[in-house]
Amino acid sequence: QVHLQESGPGLVNPSGTLSLTCAVSGGSVAGREWWNWVRQPPGKGLEWIGEIHHTGHINYNASLMGRVTISIDKSKNQISLTLNSVTAADTAVYYCARDYCSGDCAQLPIWYFDLWGRGTLVTVSS
Amino acid sequence: EIVLTQSPGTLSLSPGEKASLSCRASQSVSGTYLTWYQQKPGQAPRLLIYAASSRATDIPDRFSGSGSGTDFTLTISRLEPEDFAVYYCQHYDRSTWTFGEGTKVEIK
Repeated sequence: QVHLQESGPGLVNPSGTLSLTCAVSGGSVAGREWWNWVRQPPGKGLEWIGEIHHTGHINYNASLMGRVTISIDKSKNQISLTLNSVTAADTAVYYCARDYCSGDCAQLPIWYFDLWGRGTLVTVSS
Repeated sequence: EIVLTQSPGTLSLSPGEKASLSCRASQSVSGTYLTWYQQKPGQAPRLLIYAASSRATDIPDRFSGSGSGTDFTLTISRLEPEDFAVYYCQHYDRSTWTFGEGTKVEIK
């Protein structure tokens, strides 16, 4: 059974860099799935940050472009998130999620987030 | 950019009642990439419905999804106590995932 576990500092200084990792156990990051980061400010809704495939393809939320980097380490079986120049608005629970394909993935893929980590709260404050 | 608008923001119902949650897209979208999630306080979202109408593994049949074009609906036929939560719709288009702002189903 595949599990996702986010980890990283719970407190980041304003204007600093937020760095998180998502360890994948029970499965490989080098399959056909994509791996996502999603965040949720306290009391608010979900915001997609971006996704990565082990082949190196990456997509980002345009609103975060320029500040965000997602990477994958196949040797460690983990994905990482880096967010620069953070402000209080970046305070949120950060989730990693697996983007799974069902059906005919070659011709008519059906994608959805079937697996989520528990999330980790990151607070931006001095 | 596609915007998903969920309504109502809050739905106050009693156990046993039927819940109908709406997700409206700002332009016509493919139902293939329309997904619904449930989130309870302090928990990660949980996959309910994918491809607009397919129930995920282990999801009770009181949950159903329908719709096409710009209008999609999540229906809970008879609310159980564990169904009171926040529900989000989600869509994928042009390498971007978008979430609706959520509908909270609360106990009346």
